[in-house]
Amino acid sequence: DTEVTQTPKHLVMGMTNKKSLKCEQHMGHRAMYWYKQKAKKPPELMFVYSYEKLSINESVPSRFSPECPNSSLLNLHLHALQPEDSALYLCASSQAQGATYEQYFGPGTRLTVT
Amino acid sequence: GENVGLHLPTLSVQEGDNSIINCAYSNSASDYFIWYKQESGKGPQFIIDIRSNMDKRQGQRVTVLLNKTVKHLSLQIAATQPGDSAVYFCAEIPYNQGGKLIFGQGTELSVKP
Repeated sequence: DTEVTQTPKHLVMGMTNKKSLKCEQHMGHRAMYWYKQKAKKPPELMFVYSYEKLSINESVPSRFSPECPNSSLLNLHLHALQPEDSALYLCASSQAQGATYEQYFGPGTRLTVT
Repeated sequence: GENVGLHLPTLSVQEGDNSIINCAYSNSASDYFIWYKQESGKGPQFIIDIRSNMDKRQGQRVTVLLNKTVKHLSLQIAATQPGDSAVYFCAEIPYNQGGKLIFGQGTELSVKP
């Protein structure tokens, strides 16, 4: 199984809502990632978890709150988002954190903030 | 709107022709480079990688060339097929940054049957 799954596929939320994005992998990978991708642009790294601990935070606003409850799951909690946060949110995982470990991407959650 | 004036470079090729997609990278300390393919509605998919101590690597129907002098990477796809239509991103991984992927701007490949 080389699959990373993400739910929901699509999400529409208001600026006062609280929602969560979920990501799951069963490959035994110990590094998991959140990326943000705007239309016609490349993915941009947001967070990296390594062995369930936050390893990299790319100066992401606090309205995005990641959580790694166990080695298979990664959540992204959303609160008080802005319309400019509308994007495709991609989750990825790799065997470990490091240059030579291939990152496997999920299909993404397309988020629209109204 | 925020996308006014922004567009992906596009490459249109005939089915069966070879495709060459180019990428300039920024960090001379990058140690490792990867090409990803992203189809509509999907996440990026690994195609091929190359280390900084190599200048060429071949896979099945794909070849990556690395020119460190001018910080240039290219992806060659032989006998391009309609299923190759997608956006292609190069990504660099700088040395000692915890495996952080830095993506290039991307090129949209369109294959005409």
